[in-house]
Amino acid sequence: GQQLNQSPQSMFIQEGEDVSMNCTSSSIFNTWLWYKQDPGEGPVLLIALYKAGELTSNGRLTAQFGITRKDSFLNISASIPSDVGIYFCAGQTSGNTGKLIFGQGTTLQVKP
Amino acid sequence: GAGVSQTPSNKVTEKGKYVELRCDPISGHTALYWYRQSLGQGPEFLIYFQGTGAADDSGLPNDRFFAVRPEGSVSTLKIQRTERGDSAVYLCASSPRGLTPYNEQFFGPGTRLTVL
Repeated sequence: GQQLNQSPQSMFIQEGEDVSMNCTSSSIFNTWLWYKQDPGEGPVLLIALYKAGELTSNGRLTAQFGITRKDSFLNISASIPSDVGIYFCAGQTSGNTGKLIFGQGTTLQVKP
Repeated sequence: GAGVSQTPSNKVTEKGKYVELRCDPISGHTALYWYRQSLGQGPEFLIYFQGTGAADDSGLPNDRFFAVRPEGSVSTLKIQRTERGDSAVYLCASSPRGLTPYNEQFFGPGTRLTVL
């Protein structure tokens, strides 16, 4: 089946540093979504991308939909302690189901 | 407004028992999804409803798993003869529409199922 490879698996950074994580796929997606999940909670949508090449920002977060439609990255600038959590990329293929294919997640820890 | 809610938040059961997990989607959302998340993994798709009908159940692992959405709102995921491998967090998500693109899915907090 379809697989998303997300990297890095985990990051431990200093408060104030910038963070970058990415997802790659062997298949083409027509939508990329980035979610953040805190312990005991469901994933929360951060950014949605709908067009190849699209670059979208949400506060300190910036994400891009790769030109090949097989990859996406998420950047977080000037990290703060509340950025701690697990970040997931998710892709959707064309069709009528809209089901999401998720990456394995990137665990982010921020040292104050 | 209210988000997606799921009950119970935790469920502990014994191997071989039957369980039901409930999802209340965001009001007005026609699309509803169930996902399963194992420890340290991303969510994995189980089933998708558009209105009352299951439009895609390709993610259900076997015939012990079944889901319904009889009135196009609340959904129940049913697991028969539970096995220890069924232990996971079961997530529900809803979306204003099921068609891509612009299918932004909003997740509930999940039900943590533990099968002893």
